Amino acid sequence: DAGVIQSPRHEVTEMGQEVTLRCKPISGHDYLFWYRQTMMRGLELLIYFNNNVPIDDSGMPEDRFSAKMPNASFSTLKIQPSEPRDSAVYFCASSQEETQYFGPGTRLLVL
Amino acid sequence: GDSVTQMEGPVTLSEEAFLTINCTYTATGYPSLFWYVQYPGEGLQLLLKATKADDKGSNKGFEATYRKETTSFHLEKGSVQVSDSAVYFCALSDRWSGGSNYKLTFGKGTLLTVNP
Repeated sequence: DAGVIQSPRHEVTEMGQEVTLRCKPISGHDYLFWYRQTMMRGLELLIYFNNNVPIDDSGMPEDRFSAKMPNASFSTLKIQPSEPRDSAVYFCASSQEETQYFGPGTRLLVL
Repeated sequence: GDSVTQMEGPVTLSEEAFLTINCTYTATGYPSLFWYVQYPGEGLQLLLKATKADDKGSNKGFEATYRKETTSFHLEKGSVQVSDSAVYFCALSDRWSGGSNYKLTFGKGTLLTVNP
């Protein structure tokens, strides 16, 4: 299996622009998680889905962030408009039980 | 709610030294416990896990024992290598009876640097 796939791997954008991060989970996994990692705050869970349905979005920082999972093999995390404080590494992870498998991450820099 | 506390480090060791990274947890139920490792520029990957009290997880020379009486899951390795340099995260599952919820609660991570 190819593992969890994320794209892009790196994104540099300007403040105010829309950013879309993409994730393809491991086939057969019915849980999908979005995390954000920064030096200051560490690893934060933003939102997670079960069978394509959002279960807990309490970690989403504010309305500028939104996530969707239109089908079992694809999810997006969108930031609109982006701000410099959104600069971080964003990870997607998937699971079919307790063990989560992480993607390589998207490194986002908002100037 | 559930929480994980681990020594924040950074930890710097010489090659072949003994490693211990402490992890304690607070949970209302009977969680599974995990150690994840993150190498530079990569995502987290599972290192080992234990699902019930007194279980020992092991992998790549690393070990950790689920101690319910002390609510701990300390990571140990007898002889570290330069290639073990990474960030190590302790985590627990957030399960409850009557259902399943595979959300993980992570500690803040411990940076380990091993010098030759």
